[in-house]
Order: sequence, then structure tokens, then C-alpha cells
Amino acid sequence: GIQVEQSPPDLILQEGANSTLRCNFSDSVNNLQWFHQNPWGQLINLFYIPSGTKQNGRLSATTVATERYSLLYISSSQTTDSGVYFCAVDQGSGNTGKLIFGQGTTLQVKP
Amino acid sequence: EPEVTQTPSHQVTQMGQEVILRCVPISNHLYFYWYRQILGQKVEFLVSFYNNEISEKSEIFDDQFSVERPDGSNFTLKIRSTKLEDSAMYFCASTTESFYEQYFGPGTRLTVT
Repeated sequence: GIQVEQSPPDLILQEGANSTLRCNFSDSVNNLQWFHQNPWGQLINLFYIPSGTKQNGRLSATTVATERYSLLYISSSQTTDSGVYFCAVDQGSGNTGKLIFGQGTTLQVKP
Repeated sequence: EPEVTQTPSHQVTQMGQEVILRCVPISNHLYFYWYRQILGQKVEFLVSFYNNEISEKSEIFDDQFSVERPDGSNFTLKIRSTKLEDSAMYFCASTTESFYEQYFGPGTRLTVT
């Protein structure tokens, strides 16, 4: 099956710093989503981005489907950005849409 | 904004007991999913459900698990005889098409003692 790898596994930032999280996947995908898991365990949808670039406030994401990677950019980080960021993909080809998650990047933003 | 809801938020049960986790997907969605996340690990797919039947299930989804859409709004996950290793956060998700954005509920934290 498809493999999803995220890097780095852990990231510590000072408030105000910028960061880039990466998601590599081993096969073509129909769906790619980025999530933020908050301290209460909830998965918050950040982006649905099987290809192209999107921006939402301080966050933006780019997926280069032909090269099988996606990047999540966080600018001017805040302590509330802390948590785990997951990338998840759906392989398609008659797939039922099941998402395969990466291991996540744990982000800690220090004040 | 429509959202997926799940109840209860936290359930504690004894090993061997049956539990039912409930989800109300977004009303116009057609595809429904259950995922689970063992503490500190990644989120894993359990089962997908479409047109009133299971579309796909993972190897985790053994005979102890079942899903049901008993009416037009609820989607349930039943674990017949819970084991310690079933302790996890269980997420329900739904979407309009299989390759569109999936929306996740807040999760049910299941603790088996």
C-alpha cells in the first residue's frame, strides 16, 4: 500500500518563527489533507489539497502531485499552533476514500 | 457550519463488555468512516461505509467490530467484547464523494480497564 512519511518528527520554535513541514507519499493520490491535532485530541481540518497551493491566514500548503510531496507552511507561529500535524492521503483508483495517515510532526511553539 | 458529532466524548468500560460509539455525520454526506488512534500513535483506518454497506475494512476491523446506520442520521461502531488493546480515540468521518475532503468528528476516547 501507499506509504506516507512526514518530516521532521519533532519541531521546537520560538513564537514568531516560520516553519515548513513536509509530507512525502509513495504513489499518486486523489486526496491529500492536512490536519492539526489539538491538545484535546481533536483533528482540525487545515487543507484539502490534492494539488496546487492554498492559503488560510498564516498557514499555507503546496502539493506537487507529480513529485509526490506536500508542504505545510506556518508563518509567525503562535503558541496555539502547538500540537501534532498530520498529513493523510487517499490513493484512489476505485478506493473507497480511506485515508492513510503519516506519523505526524509534533510542533512546540515556545513563548 | 455543519459538523460531525460524536457521543460519548469519553467512555470507560470493563474488558469483555460491549460498547457502542455513536456518530452523526454531516447530513448530505454519503460516505462514512471510522478511524482509531492509539495514544501517541498515528490515526488508522478501520472501515468505510457507503450505500448501507461496508465498502472496505482494515485488518484491525475483525469480527468483534460492526457498523450500522440504523436511521438517516446516526452511524454507529459496536465493539462486542472489548479488549485492553481497544483503548484508543475513535474518530468518525464523512464526505460527499470518496475522494473529497473528509470531515472528522471530535472523537470518542475509549478506555478499557
